[in-house]
Amino acid sequence: AQKVTQAQTEISVVEKEDVTLDCVYETRDTTYYLFWYKQPPSGELVFLIRRNSFDEQNEISGRYSWNFQKSTSSFNFTITASQVVDSAVYFCALSAIKTNSGYALNFGKGTSLLVTP
Amino acid sequence: AAGVIQSPRHLIKEKRETATLKCYPIPRHDTVYWYQQGPGQDPQFLISFYEKMQSDKGSIPDRFSAQQFSDYHSELNMSSLELGDSALYFCASSLAPPTGNWAQYFGPGTRLLVL
Repeated sequence: AQKVTQAQTEISVVEKEDVTLDCVYETRDTTYYLFWYKQPPSGELVFLIRRNSFDEQNEISGRYSWNFQKSTSSFNFTITASQVVDSAVYFCALSAIKTNSGYALNFGKGTSLLVTP
Repeated sequence: AAGVIQSPRHLIKEKRETATLKCYPIPRHDTVYWYQQGPGQDPQFLISFYEKMQSDKGSIPDRFSAQQFSDYHSELNMSSLELGDSALYFCASSLAPPTGNWAQYFGPGTRLLVL
């Protein structure tokens, strides 16, 4: 079975602060994908990143960075110099890697981030 | 670029009625997924189809059924609606390797309210 835990239910920061969203996962699969999605108040799910389990290289994309540590089963997401537009619910998700049928996403409960001016 | 299209975007039904949600995947995508997101909840996987065959099944109630048609669009049929079915229903599509990489692209969702 797969499980994703986002222990932080809500986070509130002031604009320009850095903020890290935690994600811890459990899986018996030896290969898997990890994801982060953003869900703004408008409701759509916006894809942010996908990481293979065999690729532990950290990634930076503008103000966003991701730290994948297989040893601690964590895939944390950091927003640098947060902005009001970053206010949203952020979901971490996990899936098995299947060869011929796609994969279902298992989402964490989400972390609601509020960035105030 | 074309995205996943879902219709209708909003739907209001009474208890015990039926509802049909439609999903039009990104052109050439061969896999469709359905997710249900209740208020304040995370999305829950319902069912998926690859090349018009059911490929995976999650927590889909027996009152719900789905299929993928020859043009790859998919429909989620919901019968005997209950208040608890009120949720945001997402469809996602992906393209299998080697042409694609299974990356899932989500539609805007259909918001269903059952009264």
